[in-house]
Amino acid sequence: AQSVAQPEDQVNVAEGNPLTVKCTYSVSGNPYLFWYVQYPNRGLQFLLKYITGDNLVKGSYGFEAEFNKSQTSFHLKKPSALVSDSALYFCAVRDSTSNYQLIWGAGTKLIIKP
Amino acid sequence: EAGVAQSPRYKIIEKRQSVAFWCNPISGHATLYWYQQILGQGPKLLIQFQNNGVVDDSQLPKDRFSAERLKGVDSTLKIQPAKLEDSAVYLCASSLKNLLGTGELFFGEGSRLTVL
Repeated sequence: AQSVAQPEDQVNVAEGNPLTVKCTYSVSGNPYLFWYVQYPNRGLQFLLKYITGDNLVKGSYGFEAEFNKSQTSFHLKKPSALVSDSALYFCAVRDSTSNYQLIWGAGTKLIIKP
Repeated sequence: EAGVAQSPRYKIIEKRQSVAFWCNPISGHATLYWYQQILGQGPKLLIQFQNNGVVDDSQLPKDRFSAERLKGVDSTLKIQPAKLEDSAVYLCASSLKNLLGTGELFFGEGSRLTVL
């Protein structure tokens, strides 16, 4: 079965430090992977996606994600965290077996402390 | 450009009552999605429209939920009668292409439903 896992419910990082939000996936075929961010009382916003090509994908707000096929991971990263990055982050993968819908992880709450 | 518009933002009803949510997607976006997001979980797709046709409604509880997109633009999601477990945020999203075309989704701010 195709799935996405975000192993951490919450990640705490000090402002200015690098951050990583983890995501692993299980799909048949080539994965199409996405990261979305949800600020409090707001809808989800697209951050970045991996379709093909370079394993390091750059997105909005200085975020990037590294696709690792051997480890079936797509971790979200940022070199220097800002307090304003505090939000809920969702990883998703396109499901090629079910109308190409997105399969969503449960989300990781990122807290950046001043 | 204007984003995805949803209303109402908040709704409180008692169980067995009915409720309707409205969504207006980004102009020109042919694909429209309704998701249910329960606290602490990722979004769950309820229904996907391509123009005014249904692409996928396999996870829509059809005994109580209904949705329509009659003119291929705005859409309404209805719940009748509501149950306690329907308490959630209902998210509408649209995309220029469907996900077969790897189009990204644009979400509205959501409609938070509380069923008492």
